[in-house]
Amino acid sequence: DQQVKQNSPSLSVQEGRISILNCDYTNSMFDYFLWYKKYPAEGPTFLISISSIKDKNEDGRFTVFLNKSAKHLSLHIVPSQPGDSAVYFCAASSGGSNYKLTFGKGTLLTVNP
Amino acid sequence: DSGVTQTPKHLITATGQRVTLRCSPRSGDLSVYWYQQSLDQGLQFLIQYYNGEERAKGNILERFSAQQFPDLHSELNLSSLELGDSALYFCASSVASAGLYTGELFFGEGSRLTVL
Repeated sequence: DQQVKQNSPSLSVQEGRISILNCDYTNSMFDYFLWYKKYPAEGPTFLISISSIKDKNEDGRFTVFLNKSAKHLSLHIVPSQPGDSAVYFCAASSGGSNYKLTFGKGTLLTVNP
Repeated sequence: DSGVTQTPKHLITATGQRVTLRCSPRSGDLSVYWYQQSLDQGLQFLIQYYNGEERAKGNILERFSAQQFPDLHSELNLSSLELGDSALYFCASSVASAGLYTGELFFGEGSRLTVL
């Protein structure tokens, strides 16, 4: 049972435009959500996170939106740059004493110059 | 550079064999996590150790075991290897003590295991 789903395996956008990556979850106990970015031959690196008490968190060009009622979150990248081309993983945690993250399968973002 | 070191980077072995993957966490991090990434799969949580003690267990097979040593480095032991065990194995670390958890894990570059 996949508790965190990224239904788009890939996304291609033009440089300068907005990239929107989507993620759905099924476990209502999740209360902390993160996005990780992964380049080939490297480990995932933390990008941005959001707590369930918020519906938006912004960090520079990256904004994460959380819709708890729909169990949906999205990552917006504006403007997109070629260096943003990577695999993006959505992850979720139920916090408390359970520290493990549940990851989606990832979305490959390609930003074309 | 995340500060998390994994060895070896690549490993090729045969079915039925046993291998050990090693992880050194970031300086000061007390928690170590092991994740498996198979082809076309997301990162599957295997196990977490905090300051030498097992803290959480995920989808870890009985043929796999792990431990965290007093110097906080960790080893993941994979035995009776099968073709399906071929994957990228990531180690991650975090401070992860009660009240300080932010969910941010720092990942190593991974160990790619190929079982032939």
